[in-house]
Amino acid sequence: DSGVTQTPKHLITATGQRVTLRCSPRSGDLSVYWYQQSLDQGLQFLIQYYNGEERAKGNILERFSAQQFPDLHSELNLSSLELGDSALYFCASSVGLGAHTGELFFGEGSRLTVL
Amino acid sequence: AQSVTQLGSHVSVSEGALVLLRCNYSSSVPPYLFWYVQYPNQGLQLLLKYTSAATLVKGINGFEAEFKKSETSFHLTKPSAHMSDAAEYFCALEQGAQKLVFGQGTRLTINP
Repeated sequence: DSGVTQTPKHLITATGQRVTLRCSPRSGDLSVYWYQQSLDQGLQFLIQYYNGEERAKGNILERFSAQQFPDLHSELNLSSLELGDSALYFCASSVGLGAHTGELFFGEGSRLTVL
Repeated sequence: AQSVTQLGSHVSVSEGALVLLRCNYSSSVPPYLFWYVQYPNQGLQLLLKYTSAATLVKGINGFEAEFKKSETSFHLTKPSAHMSDAAEYFCALEQGAQKLVFGQGTRLTINP
C-alpha cells in the first residue's frame, strides 16, 4: 500500500460526458502528480501541483483540468470525453518539488472507459 | 529533449536465469534515472534510482542497475529471476525538477 488513494477505481461513461477523478496523497506529501497510461501513448505526465499551486504541465488537453485543495487532495476533471480518453489515470505524490528529492508514490489508478 | 528508450517491450526468462532489461536515455544535462515496477492491477513502485552518487545502484528485491555515461544506458539486472518478478518495468528520467518521463515499459515474463 503506497498510501495514495484514488477514487473511483473504475468508471464507465459515454462520449461527451464529464468525470472527476479524486486523489488523496500520502500523509505529509505536498506534491501531487497526474499521469495517464494508455496502450498507445504509454505513461504520460499530465500535471503537477505543489501545496495547492500548479508547478508543471505536461501533455494535458485543454478539456482536462486539475486542482489541489487546501487539504492537499487533488481532483482531475475530464470533460467532453472522447473514446481516446479511455485510459488508466494515476495519481502520485512526493514530499517535495522534484522527483530526485524523493521517490514518487503511486496510487492504484482510476480506469476510465469511454463508450 | 530528454527521453528514455526501453529496448524490448517483452522479455521472457526462465526462473533462476539472469534478468536484463535495457534502458537508454537522452539528456543534455546529468540525468536522474529511475526504475519502477508495476505489478498487475497496481500502481508503480520505485525499484531504484540513480542520482549521481554511485554508478552501480542497488534496489529492492535483488535488482540493481548500472549507469554508463559513455553508453547513455541504465540497464536493470537481477542475477536470478523469481516467479514473483513477473511485472512491467519502466525506466524513467527526471525532466527538470518537476516530472518523470517514462519509457514505454518492458513486460517481464518468468517461465517455470
